[in-house]
Amino acid sequence: KAGVTQTPRYLIKTRGQQVTLSCSPISGHRSVSWYQQTPGQGLQFLFEYFSETQRNKGNFPGRFSGRQFSNSRSEMNVSTLELGDSALYLCASSLAGRGQSPLHFGNGTRLTVT
Amino acid sequence: QQQVKQSPQSLIVQKGGISIINCAYENTAFDYFPWYQQFPGKGPALLIAIRPDVSEKKEGRFTISFNKSAKQFSLHIMDSQPGDSATYFCAASISTGNQFYFGTGTSLTVIP
Repeated sequence: KAGVTQTPRYLIKTRGQQVTLSCSPISGHRSVSWYQQTPGQGLQFLFEYFSETQRNKGNFPGRFSGRQFSNSRSEMNVSTLELGDSALYLCASSLAGRGQSPLHFGNGTRLTVT
Repeated sequence: QQQVKQSPQSLIVQKGGISIINCAYENTAFDYFPWYQQFPGKGPALLIAIRPDVSEKKEGRFTISFNKSAKQFSLHIMDSQPGDSATYFCAASISTGNQFYFGTGTSLTVIP
């Protein structure tokens, strides 16, 4: 079974621009979560989607948004980029998306904002 | 506010030694505690997980010890190997929820 695929692997953007990140979950997984990873902060929860519905959102500004398509693929968008948005963005899929359903992570998209 | 606190930030262990990473939490509603291992350039991968109804779970060289009253849990890596060099994250979640809370990570280096 193919794992979680995230594209692109690397992105360099300028302050004020917007960016869209893509995630293809493991086949059969209906839940997709997004996490931001920065040194010293660990992984911070952005949001979780299940069957095209956002079920939960972390403590991030409204500039961070996402969506999920009918095939469970998900996209994350960040508008008006700030220098502090530089991070590794991880997508994870799971079968049920509930607390005891293991997360399967992709290798992430490294976003650098200059 | 960090819901799960992890220590140490970095750890250097000799090959064959025991690596111990500790985590603590405050929310007593947490009922699932996984550990993830991350190699450079890769996403985290589930290593081992425990539920609070048991005090210890062992899988090969990896053991989770869980102390419900102290709200602490730890990962023990026995006979540590250079291939274990990675960053380890503890996490916690509520089984009815859909969000994981991660520690800040421990960078483990096992020297030959």
